Amino acid sequence: AQTVTQSQPEMSVQEAETVTLSCTYDTSENNYYLFWYKQPPSRQMILVIRQEAYKQQNATENRFSVNFQKAAKSFSLKISDSQLGDTAMYFCAFMKHWSNFGNEKLTFGTGTRLTIIP
Amino acid sequence: DTEVTQTPKHLVMGMTNKKSLKCEQHMGHRAMYWYKQKAKKPPELMFVYSYEKLSINESVPSRFSPECPNSSLLNLHLHALQPEDSALYLCASSQDWLGPYNEQFFGPGTRLTVL
Repeated sequence: AQTVTQSQPEMSVQEAETVTLSCTYDTSENNYYLFWYKQPPSRQMILVIRQEAYKQQNATENRFSVNFQKAAKSFSLKISDSQLGDTAMYFCAFMKHWSNFGNEKLTFGTGTRLTIIP
Repeated sequence: DTEVTQTPKHLVMGMTNKKSLKCEQHMGHRAMYWYKQKAKKPPELMFVYSYEKLSINESVPSRFSPECPNSSLLNLHLHALQPEDSALYLCASSQDWLGPYNEQFFGPGTRLTVL
C-alpha cells in the first residue's frame, strides 16, 4: 500500500513571496504519478500540477513548480509570487500506474493549509 | 462544459431516513467516483464506476449504495446512516485514458449531517 505524508499542517506567507510545501511518499512501485490538488475554502478541488515518475524533468505550470526527487521519494510544490487566491488546502496525491482503466485510485496526503497574508 | 455538479449542497437527515445524493457531468467522462471527506482530512475513496459498472468498492458499509444509471449520472443512496457518517461527500469524474492525464474533476460536494 502507498502512503503520502505532508508534514506541514499549516503554513502562511506574505503575498508575492515564494512558498514551498513538502510531500513525501512511500511505495514499492516504479511506475506512478504524483499530483498536487488545491481545495479553496468552500470551493471545488482542482488539479494544480502533475508529475510522471518516469520523467526526470520537474513539472511547471505558470507560478507552480515541483521538485521531484524519485530516489528520496519527495515531491515538493513551490508557489512563486504567491497571490491571495492561492489561499487553500493543498493535497499531495499518489496514483499507481494501472494497465486497466477503472482502477485508478488517488491516495491523498493529509493536506497543508496555506494562507496568503495581504 | 467542464463541470461536475452535485445536489443537494447541504443535507440533514435522521438515522432512519432514506435520502440520495446526485452527481452529474456532461464531459463524456466514463469514470465516476464517490469520496468522503471529514473536516480537515483528505478525501477517502468510496466507490469507482467505470463504463457504468462498479469497479472499486473500498469496503464501504452497505448503508451506502451507489448507482450509475447512465454515463452522466451517479447517485449515492443513503439509508440508516450514523452520526459519524456526517461529512462532505465529493463526486469526481475522469476520461477513459490511462495515466496522469486522466485528471479527476471534482464537484463542490454535498455536506451531509446525520442527526
